[in-house]
Amino acid sequence: GAVVSQHPSRVICKSGTSVKIECRSLDFQATTMFWYRQFPKQSLMLMATSNEGSKATYEQGVEKDKFLINHASLTLSTLTVTSAHPEDSSFYICSAVGWGGNQPQHFGDGTRLSIL
Amino acid sequence: AQTVTQSQPEMSVQEAETVTLSCTYDTSESDYYLFWYKQPPSRQMILVIRQEAYKQQNATENRFSVNFQKAAKSFSLKISDSQLGDAAMYFCAYRSGNQGGSEKLVFGKGTKLTVNP
Repeated sequence: GAVVSQHPSRVICKSGTSVKIECRSLDFQATTMFWYRQFPKQSLMLMATSNEGSKATYEQGVEKDKFLINHASLTLSTLTVTSAHPEDSSFYICSAVGWGGNQPQHFGDGTRLSIL
Repeated sequence: AQTVTQSQPEMSVQEAETVTLSCTYDTSESDYYLFWYKQPPSRQMILVIRQEAYKQQNATENRFSVNFQKAAKSFSLKISDSQLGDAAMYFCAYRSGNQGGSEKLVFGKGTKLTVNP
């Protein structure tokens, strides 16, 4: 089945650091990738949608300059949390979908980000 | 805008028994897809089952089946012969069918399922 790899799985860093998270589709071309944030015991909150070769579409309330998204190829999207602060600590999950109306989103395993 | 409602924050079931998780949604679209995702404590999101709105037949995947009532906008998940490994958060999700799969998922708030031995 379709596999999405997300790296790293866990990051602990100091306040003010920028952190990059990678999301790769391993066995299919992902025309669209999604980035979610999940707080404890809550549902997934969509942050942005990225299409290969174009600018990401951010959801209302998500800071574009804070959460930089790049989707440079059909198999890779990156999320960079710039100048991270403790309030950015969360679980971030990516998903990818190939072309075709009936294709489901395939999720990465998530990244637990802890900012000290 | 579409919304998905899961009215049961928590459910429990005895091992080997059957449990049904509820999901309702609101949409004015005629072409869409519905999904159930499972998130175990590892927090990996696992696709359990999906349903195309244009199909009248309810989807089934081994012990998992859905009761899709399009007119009522209801999409419940039935888990038969529950196993300890079924314990997880279950999320119902909606996706528009308009743009070749690039539409975002709209998630419900989730139902935490506990399986008792």
